[in-house]
Amino acid sequence: QKEVEQNSGPLSVPEGAIASLNCTYSDRGSQSFFWYRQYSGKSPELIMFIYSNGDKEDGRFTAQLNKASQYVSLLIRDSQPSDSATYLCATNTGNQFYFGTGTSLTVIP
Amino acid sequence: GAGVSQSPRYKVAKRGQDVALRCDPISGHVSLFWYQQALGQGPEFLTYFQNEAQLDKSGLPSDRFFAERPEGSVSTLKIQRTQQEDSAVYLCASSEVTGVGQPQHFGDGTRLSIL
Repeated sequence: QKEVEQNSGPLSVPEGAIASLNCTYSDRGSQSFFWYRQYSGKSPELIMFIYSNGDKEDGRFTAQLNKASQYVSLLIRDSQPSDSATYLCATNTGNQFYFGTGTSLTVIP
Repeated sequence: GAGVSQSPRYKVAKRGQDVALRCDPISGHVSLFWYQQALGQGPEFLTYFQNEAQLDKSGLPSDRFFAERPEGSVSTLKIQRTQQEDSAVYLCASSEVTGVGQPQHFGDGTRLSIL
C-alpha cells in the first residue's frame, strides 16, 4: 500500500465550476499535508499546506483535512483553464515527504 | 537567484557512464531533498540533508547513487554506471528548516535519459 493515494483521473470540469481533488494517506503519524500543482514538464509548485483538522482557505483554494479519516482534499472554486494541471498531494512525517501519483485536472472553457 | 536552481536541465548518457547532477538551493535554506520522478508518477524521496549532514538516504535505490552537500549549500547527486531504469526527472527541493508545515520549494529538475 502506498503512503499516499490519489485518483489519477483525469478529472474534467467546466470553467467556473468547483473542482474537488481527494487524497488518502496511510501513516497516522503524518504531521503536515501539502497540495502541489505541476504543469507538464515543470516542477511542482506549492499551492497550500495544512496541518490542523478542518478547512483552510486561500483565495479560490480550500484545503480540508480529516485526520480521523486520514483524508485530505483540495477544492478549487471558479475553476479556470489555467488551473489545468496535475495536482500532487504530499504528507510529511519527520524528515520524510511522501507524494501521491497526482490527479490530472482539465478545466474546459 | 531567488529559487532553487538545478543543472543541467537535460542530460543524455550512455548506459554505464557516470553522471553528476547539481542543485543550488535557496540561500539560507537548511534542508535539502532529492527526489526521482518517473513519467506519470509523483516524486519519490531519495535523500535528505540538514546543512552538510546527510540525515536520511533510505530512498537511494542502490549503491550506485551517491549524494553530497559538503559545505551545506550546493548539493550534487551522482549516479555511477548508469542503467536505463535510472531515466527519470531528478528534482531537488529546499526548505528553511524541517518541521510541521514547512513547505518545500522545488527546482525545475534535471531530465536524465540513459540510452
